[in-house]
Amino acid sequence: ILNVEQSPQSLHVQEGDSTNFTCSFPSSNFYALHWYRWETAKSPEALFVMTLNGDEKKKGRISATLNTKEGYSYLYIKGSQPEDSATYLCALSGADGLTFGKGTHLIIQP
Amino acid sequence: SQTIHQWPATLVQPVGSPLSLECTVEGTSNPNLYWYRQAAGRGLQLLFYSVGIGQISSEVPQNLSASRPQDRQFILSSKKLLLSDSGFYLCAWSVWVNNEQFFGPGTRLTVL
Repeated sequence: ILNVEQSPQSLHVQEGDSTNFTCSFPSSNFYALHWYRWETAKSPEALFVMTLNGDEKKKGRISATLNTKEGYSYLYIKGSQPEDSATYLCALSGADGLTFGKGTHLIIQP
Repeated sequence: SQTIHQWPATLVQPVGSPLSLECTVEGTSNPNLYWYRQAAGRGLQLLFYSVGIGQISSEVPQNLSASRPQDRQFILSSKKLLLSDSGFYLCAWSVWVNNEQFFGPGTRLTVL
């Protein structure tokens, strides 16, 4: 069973501030890491799929980095907006599909 | 384009009653299909996945079962619900097992 840890569990950020949070995973037998955004009353939506050590991906104000040797990924949000409020999930690819972390619940305060 | 449907959206059932949740995918063939559950205060837990018709793999022992009678249909069932079965159930599909997954709208199940 793969162990995917996310921290912090929840985060309150002032609108306009930048923030980041972490996903940790076993570094052995790495295949791919996924980030999803899950807004309340909606389905999880894929943000990034990352496979290579040192990968950096960006979508608008959101970006992610990957370190497969030490087993972590960071998700960054620049200039947080109220619509960024959501739970951010990371997931590790394994033989049976994806193993999800418990998520970081982000609340942007106006 | 591909779409994924789940129904019902919400369900309230008494303990001991049966359950049937349905998931269908449109616009793709031979998808990998998944059932997840999010219980209160917990992360997404993979319950079942299927790589083809009639092929079901179970990730956790439980009183739930899954079936895939058609290529793009995935059904989650129980003969007798427990209180602990309450949660938010999500169906998802992917092209390959390790590709990004696309989620349905979910079913909120409350067992009383």
